[in-house]
Amino acid sequence: DTGVSQDPRHKITKRGQNVTFRCDPISEHNRLYWYRQTLGQGPEFLTYFQNEAQLEKSRLLSDRFSAERPKGSFSTLEIQRTEQGDSAMYLCASSLGTGFLDTQYFGPGTRLTVL
Amino acid sequence: KNQVEQSPQSLIILEGKNCTLQCNYTVSPFSNLRWYKQDTGRGPVSLTIMTFSENTKSNGRYTATLDADTKQSSLHITASQLSDSASYICVVSAGGNAGNMLTFGGGTRLMVKP
Repeated sequence: DTGVSQDPRHKITKRGQNVTFRCDPISEHNRLYWYRQTLGQGPEFLTYFQNEAQLEKSRLLSDRFSAERPKGSFSTLEIQRTEQGDSAMYLCASSLGTGFLDTQYFGPGTRLTVL
Repeated sequence: KNQVEQSPQSLIILEGKNCTLQCNYTVSPFSNLRWYKQDTGRGPVSLTIMTFSENTKSNGRYTATLDADTKQSSLHITASQLSDSASYICVVSAGGNAGNMLTFGGGTRLMVKP
């Protein structure tokens, strides 16, 4: 257990529905990251926050995706009008954000299945 | 384009045997390289981090090497255990730890059989 938690662990939804995932980082960590991972592949960066500010978004983050970190603590990732191609593991990670040896600690992930 | 390639994609070994996983990267500028272990259905966990000046680093039965000239890294696992069955992901940082600065390899899926 790295100290980063995600909820839910699994989500099955029908195409077209909206889903929201939550990530609780390690409490003193300033940075929070979202990744998407498909089977047999490494994680792909989606977005990251420095405290409550969203500093970077990947081109993978289409208009249907939105992430928030309102108080600089937990974060939510919402996917609107889900598509079958959204089926993946969504990983959250957090880090202190200090120096180039800063280490990201990953949560267990939320596995999304879109039917 | 920054890329990290790992080989083999998958590997099956018998318990107690050693194995070596490879990572080749084309990431510039290079900052550091990390190896993560990811158990099935779990998030990745950091095993080791190596900077430009480090050639070898050990963490228990795991030993990572780095050749910055040839842009290659390896992860050697000694006396494998059943619990070593997992995916091992090589991650290279290009001058920072912001999300877009990390390039992930596709991972090597290791299965250790009794």
